[in-house]
Amino acid sequence: QVQLVQSGAEVKKPGASVKVSCKASGYTFTGYGIGWVRQAPGQGLEWMGWISGYNGNTNYAQTLQGRVTLTTDTSTSTAYMEVRSLRSDDTAMYYCARGRYNGNYYFDYWGQGTLVTVSS
Amino acid sequence: EIVLTQSPATLSLSPGERATLSCRASQSVSSYLAWYQQKHGQAPRLLIYDASNRATGIPARFSGSGSGTDFTLTISSLEPEDFAVYYCQQGDNWPLTFGGGTKVEIK
Repeated sequence: QVQLVQSGAEVKKPGASVKVSCKASGYTFTGYGIGWVRQAPGQGLEWMGWISGYNGNTNYAQTLQGRVTLTTDTSTSTAYMEVRSLRSDDTAMYYCARGRYNGNYYFDYWGQGTLVTVSS
Repeated sequence: EIVLTQSPATLSLSPGERATLSCRASQSVSSYLAWYQQKHGQAPRLLIYDASNRATGIPARFSGSGSGTDFTLTISSLEPEDFAVYYCQQGDNWPLTFGGGTKVEIK
């Protein structure tokens, strides 16, 4: 069965960086994309970016461009999301999700989420 | 950026009632719209993709319709486990965007 297992919760100080991993299993990693979505406490879903599992091509949300980098390691079927220069408003639950594309980009399986807290 | 506006923000209904949720796009997204359900403390779950196709394992009481700029998610008869927050998401253009969500609560 398809599973996405994310790394554990993180507490960071403002200005630091965080890197979250997302290990995929139960499907061919290179046949799908990975999307990252975050959710601030009590708020809605915010799309952060997309990376192709096939060739590593990326698309990022403009609001985060320059501070976020998505990468993959196809040898371990793992995706990574790094956010730099963390601010207090980056405190959120971060989700990875398997990305499907058939003309339409959407997410059919989700990780359990990784809570990132930014606090001095 | 395509803005998705969901209405109403909150829907108060009783089990067994019909729920109708709306998602309006600021420009056409063709049929490239998905719906997700999120329960408290859980990750979102895909319900509908391509506006009207149910995802694997989703009960038939969930249905989606619409194209262009106006979309609807209908829950024909609410079960206790359906009380949750629902989000729409467009997959037609970068950046991908989500609507603000509709909370379906018990009346």
